[in-house]
Amino acid sequence: DSGVTQTPKHLITATGQRVTLRCSPRSGDLSVYWYQQSLDQGLQFLIQYYNGEERAKGNILERFSAQQFPDLHSELNLSSLELGDSALYFCASSPLPGQGANIQYFGAGTRLSVL
Amino acid sequence: AQTVTQSQPEMSVQEAETVTLSCTYDTSESDYYLFWYKQPPSRQMILVIRQEAYKQQNATENRFSVNFQKAAKSFSLKISDSQLGDAAMYFCAYGDSSYKLIFGSGTRLLVRP
Repeated sequence: DSGVTQTPKHLITATGQRVTLRCSPRSGDLSVYWYQQSLDQGLQFLIQYYNGEERAKGNILERFSAQQFPDLHSELNLSSLELGDSALYFCASSPLPGQGANIQYFGAGTRLSVL
Repeated sequence: AQTVTQSQPEMSVQEAETVTLSCTYDTSESDYYLFWYKQPPSRQMILVIRQEAYKQQNATENRFSVNFQKAAKSFSLKISDSQLGDAAMYFCAYGDSSYKLIFGSGTRLLVRP
C-alpha cells in the first residue's frame, strides 16, 4: 500500500457527462500529480499541484481541470466526456524537497469507462 | 523535450534466471533522476529502483540493479534470480527539476516456471 488513496476505483459514464476523481496523498506529502494511462498514449503527465498551487501542466485537455484543497486532497474534473477519455487515471504524491523528492508514490488508479 | 524509449515491448525469462530490460532517454538537463516502475496485473504502479544522475554508482535494491551509462543516456534494469511475482509491465521514467515524470512505453516481462 503506497498510502495514496484514489476514489472511486471504477467509474462508468456516458459521453457528454462530467465526473470527478478524488485523490488523498500520503500523509505529509504536499505535491500531487495526475497521470493518464491509455492504450494509445501510454502514461502521460497531466498536472501537478504543490500545497494548493498549480505547479506544472502537461498534456491536459481544456475539458479537464484539477484543484488541490487546503487539506491537500486533490480532485480531477473531467467534463464533456468523449469515448477517447476512457483510461486509467493515476494520482501520485511526493515528499518535500530534500526528503527523497522526485520519488512519486502512486495510488491504485481510477478506471474510467466512457460508453 | 525529454523523451524516454523502451525498445523491447516484451521480454521472457526462465524462473531463477537473470534478465535485463533496456531504456534510453534524451535530455539536455544535467541534474535529473531515473526510475523503474513495475505495474503488475493489479495496475498499481510500484517503484522498483531510483538513480540520481549525479551519482556514478549504480543503484541496487535486493535482486534489482541498474546499469546507468550517463554519456550514452542509457538506464537498464537487471533482475536477478527472477521470480514468478516479477511478471509485470516495467516502465522506465525520467524526472528532473520540473518533478513531472516522463515514462517510456513499457516492457512486458513474462516469467516462465
